Amino acid sequence: AQSVTQPDIHITVSEGASLELRCNYSYGATPYLFWYVQSPGQGLQLLLKYFSGDTLVQGIKGFEAEFKRSQSSFNLRKPSVHWSDAAEYFCAVGAAGTASKLTFGTGTRLQVTL
Amino acid sequence: DGGITQSPKYLFRKEGQNVTLSCEQNLNHDAMYWYRQDPGQGLRLIYYSQIVNDFQKGDIAEGYSVSREKKESFPLTVTSAQKNPTAFYLCASTAQGPDTQYFGPGTRLTVL
Repeated sequence: AQSVTQPDIHITVSEGASLELRCNYSYGATPYLFWYVQSPGQGLQLLLKYFSGDTLVQGIKGFEAEFKRSQSSFNLRKPSVHWSDAAEYFCAVGAAGTASKLTFGTGTRLQVTL
Repeated sequence: DGGITQSPKYLFRKEGQNVTLSCEQNLNHDAMYWYRQDPGQGLRLIYYSQIVNDFQKGDIAEGYSVSREKKESFPLTVTSAQKNPTAFYLCASTAQGPDTQYFGPGTRLTVL
């Protein structure tokens, strides 16, 4: 069975500092990997995804993530955090198919201090 | 604008009552999903549907029911058999091909 681990429940960074959110997955084949962001009381917005090809993926809002097969990781990074990035971030893994069942991590809540 | 709508945003019900949450999409997506979100537990899959008139149980289907009579609609009923129904419910949909799920804004259900 596929699984996702986000080891950091809560992270606090200063505005302008760099950010890395960790995601480790367990999956038997080549995974489809996603990062979503959720503001309080809202739905999830897709930040970026990895299906195949270049292992460094660029997303919206200046985020990027790197797929490392040897480490089963898909960490999310941003070089300079803005106060508006404060939210909850979810990593998800899925398989190919029309109705892809995603497995989500438990999320990392990001707090940004000014 | 294309997207997924969920209504209502907030819903209050008395214990023992069934309640139906609405999910509509105008993205022409084939597959639709229902998730439940609780603090600290991420999203858990309740039901999903690949095509009209067909749906499958997810990881936590007990106490819930769904229907898929139209491609654009996938309502979720929370029955009185669901032991702890208070939660945030999210609907999502997926097109053919790359399997990116797009989410609605969610419905917060509170059972009193």
